Amino acid sequence: GENVEQHPSTLSVQEGDSAVIKCTYSDSASNYFPWYKQELGKRPQLIIDIRSNVGEKKDQRIAVTLNKTAKHFSLHITETQPEDSAVYFCAASFAGNQFYFGTGTSLTVIP
Amino acid sequence: DVKVTQSSRYLVKRTGEKVFLECVQDMDHENMFWYRQDPGLGLRLIYFSYDVKMKEKGDIPEGYSVSREKKERFSLILESASTSQTSMYLCASSLVSDGREQYFGPGTRLTVT
Repeated sequence: GENVEQHPSTLSVQEGDSAVIKCTYSDSASNYFPWYKQELGKRPQLIIDIRSNVGEKKDQRIAVTLNKTAKHFSLHITETQPEDSAVYFCAASFAGNQFYFGTGTSLTVIP
Repeated sequence: DVKVTQSSRYLVKRTGEKVFLECVQDMDHENMFWYRQDPGLGLRLIYFSYDVKMKEKGDIPEGYSVSREKKERFSLILESASTSQTSMYLCASSLVSDGREQYFGPGTRLTVT
């Protein structure tokens, strides 16, 4: 089955700096890669996703890049703000049926 | 707005008890999932269902079973609860198609003593 690895497990950045979280996957058949944000005590919520036919996608301060050849994808957050502090999960899926999640990155933005 | 609800936010059960966790979604989603979330281990799939009465094992199905008698409802059953099953349980649902967002419920924090 699919194996998703996520790094780093914790990340601290100064407010205004950028944050990058990286994930690798093992199954070349995976074609959908979402990123979820989970604030303390709340449910995970989708913040951005990318499909295998796209190399990069942006939404305001958030971007995701995908390298299919190397089987890795990354989340980039620019101009970080304290409200970006949360746990971020990457995931990989084939056809949206079974999702494999990374182990999460706890991001702390220091004011 | 998609709504996924879970029957309890907090649950305390004793070792050996049979435990039912219920999940209901109101968006006519075909797919439903049960995960457990543990610190440092992320979200691990227990079971998923792609249709009524259909189920597939995930990565960690041992000690669990599921039931999906109606499209909107997906139940997770712990046949004989053990302390190792103390965890946060998250339900999710999604449309069946080529990659779609999963919508998560609020979670049930289960403690087995």
